[in-house]
Amino acid sequence: GAVVSQHPSWVICKSGTSVKIECRSLDFQATTMFWYRQFPKQSLMLMATSNEGSKATYEQGVEKDKFLINHASLTLSTLTVTSAHPEDSSFYICSAYMETQYFGPGTRLLVL
Amino acid sequence: GENVEQHPSTLSVQEGDSAVIKCTYSDSASNYFPWYKQELGKRPQLIIDIRSNVGEKKDQRIAVTLNKTAKHFSLHITETQPEDSAVYFCAASESRFNKFYFGSGTKLNVKP
Repeated sequence: GAVVSQHPSWVICKSGTSVKIECRSLDFQATTMFWYRQFPKQSLMLMATSNEGSKATYEQGVEKDKFLINHASLTLSTLTVTSAHPEDSSFYICSAYMETQYFGPGTRLLVL
Repeated sequence: GENVEQHPSTLSVQEGDSAVIKCTYSDSASNYFPWYKQELGKRPQLIIDIRSNVGEKKDQRIAVTLNKTAKHFSLHITETQPEDSAVYFCAASESRFNKFYFGSGTKLNVKP
């Protein structure tokens, strides 16, 4: 139980385009999901907290207009990286909360 | 906000030896402390957790201890095996918000 999927697993896009990443809790409902960014050999950096039916809460320094989060249902949250630039290239991981956090497999984004 | 420090950043042990990873936290309101194992390119996996109402928890070769007064907690792995090689992250959380604050990670290398 407590399986979280993420799609796509990797994406390459051109600078200026937008990329949407989906996070799904497959066998449980999650009122809260989290989005993290992880740089190589570094820790998980929390970007935002996504609550079903309400606006996401962003961590300090994270641009909410650049990283759009939507939590449309109890099993789905999406992160859209708008007008992506090379510095947005990273490993993005989501988690879903059910007594603890269960992580998705991550999405590797490369912006050319 | 919460600040979690983790030591050491790298740890090499011989197969069969024990490994200890230590974390400290700053917010006395934190009451939940999970540990995650992350293999290269994969998702963090919960390996053990402890809540503030207990001082120690054990699961086969893995144990976690918590000292609330000193605000530190440790992960103990006994009889290490090569498959224990990975990056380990500690985290601290206050249950009201479910946000996890992660340590910087420890790369464990178990030499056969």
